[in-house]
Amino acid sequence: AQRVTQPEKLLSVFKGAPVELKCNYSYSGSPELFWYVQYSRQRLQLLLRHISRESIKGFTADLNKGETSFHLKKPFAQEEDSAMYYCALYNNNDMRFGAGTRLTVKP
Amino acid sequence: EAGVTQFPSHSVIEKGQTVTLRCDPISGHDNLYWYRRVMGKEIKFLLHFVKESKQDESGMPNNRFLAERTGGTYSTLKVQPAELEDSGVYFCASSQGGTEYGYTFGSGTRLTVV
Repeated sequence: AQRVTQPEKLLSVFKGAPVELKCNYSYSGSPELFWYVQYSRQRLQLLLRHISRESIKGFTADLNKGETSFHLKKPFAQEEDSAMYYCALYNNNDMRFGAGTRLTVKP
Repeated sequence: EAGVTQFPSHSVIEKGQTVTLRCDPISGHDNLYWYRRVMGKEIKFLLHFVKESKQDESGMPNNRFLAERTGGTYSTLKVQPAELEDSGVYFCASSQGGTEYGYTFGSGTRLTVV
């Protein structure tokens, strides 16, 4: 069964500090992984996909199959990055989410 | 292009009452999903429609929940009778299929059962 684990419910950093939001998954096939973000009073929206290997708003995430991880990283956090972040695993038209991590970036 | 629309945005009902949530997906999106987030827990999958057919309803918690998508357009999710543990935020999402653009989510319906 596919499962996504985000071990940290809350994460707080200061502006300008590096940030890493952890995501681990369990899945027997080749996973397709995503990060979604929900800013205050906004909808849940796609942040990035591992397949596209892109950097969005300064965030990157690398799929590590050996560690079954897909951690989200940003070298210098900004206050506007404060939001709820969800890691998700997609398989066969089915997207499953982790519990989410609330990131707070303090000034 | 209108996004995914959900109605109502909030609903407060008493235990034992019935509530119907509605989701209008993006026009042309065959895939429609319902999810629920209970406070402090993950966004949990409820079910998936492809057009008007239920592709996967393995996440529906029990038979008090009934989802429909007549005509393959909008979908409704009815809870009857509602229980306290049904409280949470119910999200709807739609997609064209595939993952190039991910899923497009609605703003959610916050359901409170008292």
